[in-house]
Amino acid sequence: AQSVTQLGSHVSVSEGALVLLRCNYSSSVPPYLFWYVQYPNQGLQLLLKYTTGATLVKGINGFEAEFKKSETSFHLTKPSAHMSDAAEYFCAVSDSGYSTLTFGKGTMLLVSP
Amino acid sequence: GAGVSQSPSNKVTEKGKDVELRCDPISGHTALYWYRQSLGQGLEFLIYFQGNSAPDKSGLPSDRFSAERTGGSVSTLTIQRTQQEDSAVYLCASSLKTDGAEAFFGQGTRLTVV
Repeated sequence: AQSVTQLGSHVSVSEGALVLLRCNYSSSVPPYLFWYVQYPNQGLQLLLKYTTGATLVKGINGFEAEFKKSETSFHLTKPSAHMSDAAEYFCAVSDSGYSTLTFGKGTMLLVSP
Repeated sequence: GAGVSQSPSNKVTEKGKDVELRCDPISGHTALYWYRQSLGQGLEFLIYFQGNSAPDKSGLPSDRFSAERTGGSVSTLTIQRTQQEDSAVYLCASSLKTDGAEAFFGQGTRLTVV
């Protein structure tokens, strides 16, 4: 069985500050890991994903995430927050090409001027 | 179409009525998912179709919920005898389902049961 824990339902940062959204997972086999973003009244959009290879993954809009097997983590970061980054962010895990995606409960990112 | 299309975008129904929600996946995508999104609850998996395999129905919350996928393409999620707790946004996604493939989401159907 898989599970995802996102620490913090809400994270507030100032514009220009570092963004750090935490994600820990559990999986009995090597995982595939994803971060999705959801803007108000829209569907989910993929930010980045880890499948195999390099553990530091770069995505759209300046976001990146690092897969740390020893810590079972896949935290999302961005060096400098922008007002347009305000949205809800979801971490997800799957463990093969034929299994479902399991999502965390989401973290709402609030960016203040 | 270019993306996953869901209809209707909004649905208000009376308690006890049946509703059907439709999903048109991206052409060629063999995998199709339904999720339910409630405030503060994240995305709750409902059902998963993969090619011609039997669907994974393990997430359906009760026997009032059912889904089908005709011809490996369009899917319909049916909720019978709707209850107020069924009010949520229902999201559909599709993917190629090669290992680690990205799931593409529709914009969802907002269901309100009054």
